[in-house]
Parts: sequence; structure tokens; C-alpha cells
Amino acid sequence: GEDVEQSLFLSVREGDSSVINCTYTDSSSTYLYWYKQEPGAGLQLLTYIFSNMDMKQDQRLTVLLNKKDKHLSLRIADTQTGDSAIYFCAESPLMDSSYKLIFGSGTRLLVRP
Amino acid sequence: DVKVTQSSRYLVKRTGEKVFLECVQDMDHENMFWYRQDPGLGLRLIYFSYDVKMKEKGDIPEGYSVSREKKERFSLILESASTNQTSMYLCASSGTSGRNEQFFGPGTRLTVL
Repeated sequence: GEDVEQSLFLSVREGDSSVINCTYTDSSSTYLYWYKQEPGAGLQLLTYIFSNMDMKQDQRLTVLLNKKDKHLSLRIADTQTGDSAIYFCAESPLMDSSYKLIFGSGTRLLVRP
Repeated sequence: DVKVTQSSRYLVKRTGEKVFLECVQDMDHENMFWYRQDPGLGLRLIYFSYDVKMKEKGDIPEGYSVSREKKERFSLILESASTNQTSMYLCASSGTSGRNEQFFGPGTRLTVL
């Protein structure tokens, strides 16, 4: 079935790197996404990766995709207090033509000064 | 930039009241979605629509209905609000080409007393 799993909580010290992990189940997914939700706000697309890529880097963000293990990770370098938020991974299953995304339950990142 | 707006940020209603949550997008997107977000449960899809006057049930449609009379507007209706519908409601939209990413509104925090 469709299920995207993430750990619920991560705490890091300011300046350290954060790594948020996600596993998904649908190998047909064409795109995988990372969304960020700040307190009291909606979700904002942070970055995405196409399924034929292994890695994508965007400034402080690095996305790694292991299709064999259906594992996606988001690394945030030099984590800042402003990075404290909930991070959702999501997949876009190709077999489902309804344009739905399947979201994980979110990882709450707490950055300690 | 895509803009998705929701009619209220905070709403307090009484049990049994009929509640309307409105969502408007300005990017001519075909697809629109309603989610509810609860702690530890992530985002759960209530209903979505891929065209005017079209609607599809999501994972948790019970107790909700929707209306899409115009392309830019997607309304979520709670026919008779109950306390277990107290939640954060998020609206999103997406197009039919490209990355299939969803754009989210700021959310409506609904409290049913």
C-alpha cells in the first residue's frame, strides 16, 4: 500500500548538519518532494528530486535518493534556528493519475542555540 | 508566484453548525485539494477535485462535502460540525503538467465547541 514514513522528531545544535530521513513504498513515483511548514503556516515546497537522479544540491540543502531502498533524505548544512519547522516528504505515484501526493507524517526539527 | 488563499485563519464554531471553508487559487490550476492536519497524523486527504464540478473522495471524507463551481474556488463544507472535526485545514492546488507539486494555503484552524 501507499505509505510514507518519517521519524517524528529531530533535535540539533545550531551550526550542525541535520539529516531528515524518509522511506516510501511506491517505486513508480516520478518526483519526490520535501516541504517545510513553519509554525501556524501552510506547507511550502522546499525542494524536489526527479526519480532518475541520485542527488540534488541547492545551497544548504542536499537531497539523496536511494531508489533501491526507497529511501529519501534531506540534509541541511549549517542548521539555523530559522530552520526549526516540520518537514514533510511526499511522493507522486505514477500509477495514480489523480495528481495526488502521498505525504509522510512530518519530522519536527528543533534547532537549539 | 502561485497564491492560494483561505477565507479564515482561525474559526470557532459550535457543535451542529454548518461550516464553510473557502479556498481560492490564482494560477488557473486544474487540481485542488483539502487536507486536515492533526498532530502525529500528518496530512490526511479529505476531498480533491480535478475539474470544475468534479470531486473525488480522499482518505477521510466522512462528515465533509465539497463544492467546485468555479475553477479557482474549492469549498469544504461541514454539514453539522462535531468536536472531532477540530483541526487545521489546509487547501492546496496543482497543475497538470510539470512537477505535479502542490501549492498550499496558510491553513484554517477550526475549533468546534
